[in-house]
Amino acid sequence: EAGVAQSPRYKIIEKRQSVAFWCNPISGHATLYWYQQILGQGPKLLIQFQNNGVVDDSQLPKDRFSAERLKGVDSTLKIQPAKLEDSAVYLCASSSRSVSTDTQYFGPGTRLTVL
Amino acid sequence: AQKITQTQPGMFVQEKEAVTLDCTYDTSDPSYGLFWYKQPSSGEMIFLIYQGSYDQQNATEGRYSLNFQKARKSANLVISASQLGDSAMYFCAMRHTGRRALTFGSGTRLQVQP
Repeated sequence: EAGVAQSPRYKIIEKRQSVAFWCNPISGHATLYWYQQILGQGPKLLIQFQNNGVVDDSQLPKDRFSAERLKGVDSTLKIQPAKLEDSAVYLCASSSRSVSTDTQYFGPGTRLTVL
Repeated sequence: AQKITQTQPGMFVQEKEAVTLDCTYDTSDPSYGLFWYKQPSSGEMIFLIYQGSYDQQNATEGRYSLNFQKARKSANLVISASQLGDSAMYFCAMRHTGRRALTFGSGTRLQVQP
């Protein structure tokens, strides 16, 4: 079974530029999460989707971050315009409620550096 | 509010020895799930082990076991027979029943020495 796929793996941009990250979850997983992990910290939730609907985006800085999951499968996270403090690893995870533990499985992440 | 505390920023262990990584949590919800993940330098979060708040027995997965003490609100990870490949960051996380997203601790960096 293929795991969670993310691209790109690395991205370097200058502040005020825009950037987009892509995630393809494990097949059949209805729930998709985007987390932000700043260096030296644990991941923090940005947004959670159930199929193509947003369940929780309370921690998403909506003035600059946006995310969509139009067909209920893959998802895109965008930052526009980027700030220096957005430098972090962006992790995508997916899970399925049909599994009793509802375990989240993570992709390899995208490491963003904003100069 | 949920909170996960990992008080050990770094740990050293000799190869083939056992090591315990500490995790305490705070929640008022009677139903919750506790997870441990491993994050190697490559960055991917790898699921290791799960413990449900109503589980009567401590979870085990191969060389990993979870020392779950509900009254103390602790969920320590025990790695037996450490291997060089176990060197990584380890994160404890909690899922609240009403909110499926995970709350993570700050992590413990484990270094296994030959």
